[in-house]
Amino acid sequence: DGGITQSPKYLFRKEGQNVTLSCEQNLNHDAMYWYRQDPGQGLRLIYYSQIVNDFQKGDIAEGYSVSREKKESFPLTVTSAQKNPTAFYLCASRGPVNSPLHFGNGTRLTVT
Amino acid sequence: KQEVTQIPAALSVPEGENLVLNCSFTDSAIYNLQWFRQDPGKGLTSLLLIQSSQREQTSGRLNASLDKSSGRSTLYIAASQPGDSATYLCAVSFDRGSTLGRLYFGRGTQLTVWP
Repeated sequence: DGGITQSPKYLFRKEGQNVTLSCEQNLNHDAMYWYRQDPGQGLRLIYYSQIVNDFQKGDIAEGYSVSREKKESFPLTVTSAQKNPTAFYLCASRGPVNSPLHFGNGTRLTVT
Repeated sequence: KQEVTQIPAALSVPEGENLVLNCSFTDSAIYNLQWFRQDPGKGLTSLLLIQSSQREQTSGRLNASLDKSSGRSTLYIAASQPGDSATYLCAVSFDRGSTLGRLYFGRGTQLTVWP
């Protein structure tokens, strides 16, 4: 079955540590996205990539980094510079610009 | 700045009611609009996608309409069921050059359908 896989589902880290969230898709989609979801805030765009080896900052990119070395993979690193990293992180992908956005099941990151 | 607003923030109805969820956007130059459903602790599931050239889309008991000139979309759910309980989100892709391809999300309407 085609889809988007995010791993792990739950992640716990100590403050000051970098952590990488995995996102893999087998939908052959060119575009991939990372969103952060906090209660009462809605979805906020962190980074997005419309093609391999290229990506753009979203609205809240500070403290995050990404890479897009392969079409099917778009990992997100939450660095120690991110002031409030505890959140639910969602990865998405899309084919042509007039097609639907597909989401993974998310990773809940807790930093203490 | 492109903004998407959803009202109401929460809605609680008895089973069987027909209901309407609202989405408004600040820029009429949209490329498409998508409605999603999100269950607690899960990702988003795409329900309907309306292109800018379309007025509505239907899937089963769901019907979404689009009025670009007034900056509004509505999601109509017929004969609601407890299984429809979830948060419904609206997202808009604006036809503005560099922002084409990214979606702007509303904060969602949390729907509860009680038996």
